[in-house]
Amino acid sequence: AQRVTQPEKLLSVFKGAPVELKCNYSYSGSPELFWYVQYSRQRLQLLLRHISRESIKGFTADLNKGETSFHLKKPFAQEEDSAMYYCALSKNSGYSTLTFGKGTMLLVSP
Amino acid sequence: NAGVTQTPKFQVLKTGQSMTLQCAQDMNHNSMYWYRQDPGMGLRLIYYSASEGTTDKGEVPNGYNVSRLNKREFSLRLESAAPSQTSVYFCASSEVPGGSNTEAFFGQGTRLTVV
Repeated sequence: AQRVTQPEKLLSVFKGAPVELKCNYSYSGSPELFWYVQYSRQRLQLLLRHISRESIKGFTADLNKGETSFHLKKPFAQEEDSAMYYCALSKNSGYSTLTFGKGTMLLVSP
Repeated sequence: NAGVTQTPKFQVLKTGQSMTLQCAQDMNHNSMYWYRQDPGMGLRLIYYSASEGTTDKGEVPNGYNVSRLNKREFSLRLESAAPSQTSVYFCASSEVPGGSNTEAFFGQGTRLTVV
C-alpha cells in the first residue's frame, strides 16, 4: 500500500526566509503527487501537482523518484503563506483515491 | 459555482445519537469521498464512491455508513455516535479517480463534537 510521510508537524520561519516542506512517499509504481493547502477557516484546496510543473504563489515542487520525495519549496516566505500543507499521492494507473500525509503547519512570522 | 457543499457546518451530538452529514457537488464529478481530519493524523478516508451506484470502504470505515443518492449527493451516516468520532469531516469530489485527474475539490467541512 502507498504511504506519504511528512516528517515535520510544524515549521516556523521568519518572513523572507526560504521554506522547504518535506514529503516522502512509498509506492512501487509511478505516482501522481500533489500538494494541498488549507488556510485558516478555509477549505482544503489544491496548491500544485507534479505533472503540471507549475509555480503557484511562488511555490515549486519537484518529484525525485530516486529519493521518493516531493518537497515543497519557496525562496522567500510571506506571512500569508501561513497554513496547513498536505502532501498527497495518487496511483497513476487504475482506480486510486488520494492518500494524504499527516500535514505540516507552516507559520511565517513578521 | 458552489462546488462542494456540506451541511451542517457544526453539530454537537450525545453519545449514542445518530445523524447524517449531507454533501452535494455541482461539478458533474463521478467520484465522491468522505474524509475525517484529526490533529496529528491528517486526512483519513472513511468511504468513497467511484461512480454513481458504487460505494467502498476507505481506511477508517467502522461506525459509519454512506449512501450515494445520485450523481450529485453523497451522505455519511453515524448510526450510534461515539466520542472517538469527534472530528472535522470533509466531503470531496473528483472528475475521475486516479492519475492527474484525481484532483479533489473539498467542501468547507463539518465540525462534529460527540459528548
